[in-house]
Amino acid sequence: AQRVTQPEKLLSVFKGAPVELKCNYSYSGSPELFWYVQYSRQRLQLLLRHISRESIKGFTADLNKGETSFHLKKPFAQEEDSAMYYCALSESYGGATNKLIFGTGTLLAVQP
Amino acid sequence: DAGVTQSPTHLIKTRGQQVTLRCSPKSGHDTVSWYQQALGQGPQFIFQYYEEEERQRGNFPDRFSGHQFPNYSSELNVNALLLGDSALYLCASSWTAGGSNQPQHFGDGTRLSIL
Repeated sequence: AQRVTQPEKLLSVFKGAPVELKCNYSYSGSPELFWYVQYSRQRLQLLLRHISRESIKGFTADLNKGETSFHLKKPFAQEEDSAMYYCALSESYGGATNKLIFGTGTLLAVQP
Repeated sequence: DAGVTQSPTHLIKTRGQQVTLRCSPKSGHDTVSWYQQALGQGPQFIFQYYEEEERQRGNFPDRFSGHQFPNYSSELNVNALLLGDSALYLCASSWTAGGSNQPQHFGDGTRLSIL
């Protein structure tokens, strides 16, 4: 079955420390992976997607098909990074925009 | 552009009642997806509408139904409400004509409480 696992409900780090938010997935086909972020009192928004291979707000994520992981990393955390982060998987077929399967989310708290 | 807009923001119903939630997609988007987010959980896919038809459906009972109008806006209907239907309902829009797996843009959601 398709599944996204985020093992940490809460990750607390100090400002300037490295951050790694873990995401593992279970999917038999060729998935597309995304990270969505929700800042306090804001809507869910796309942070990055693996096919773009971009760095957004200093965050990067590499798809590791061997380990079925898509961990989100940032070398130096900032207080404004504090938010809820969701990893999501989407099937890719038929040229359609397909459903997203979300993990349960990790709350990142960056302490001053 | 206001992005995806949802109404109402909050709603209180009692068991057995019926509810309709509304969504207007982001300008230029033609596809609407609905998600249910229970407290402490990630969003769960309910269904997706494109060209006024249900294109994909998640693991939700027939009590959950929807509609898409010619202007791409959408409604989510839930009949015979149960206590377990209490959740945040999110609408997301995207642009299918733009090619495979265009990003989905989310609204603020409708908080539904069942008493």
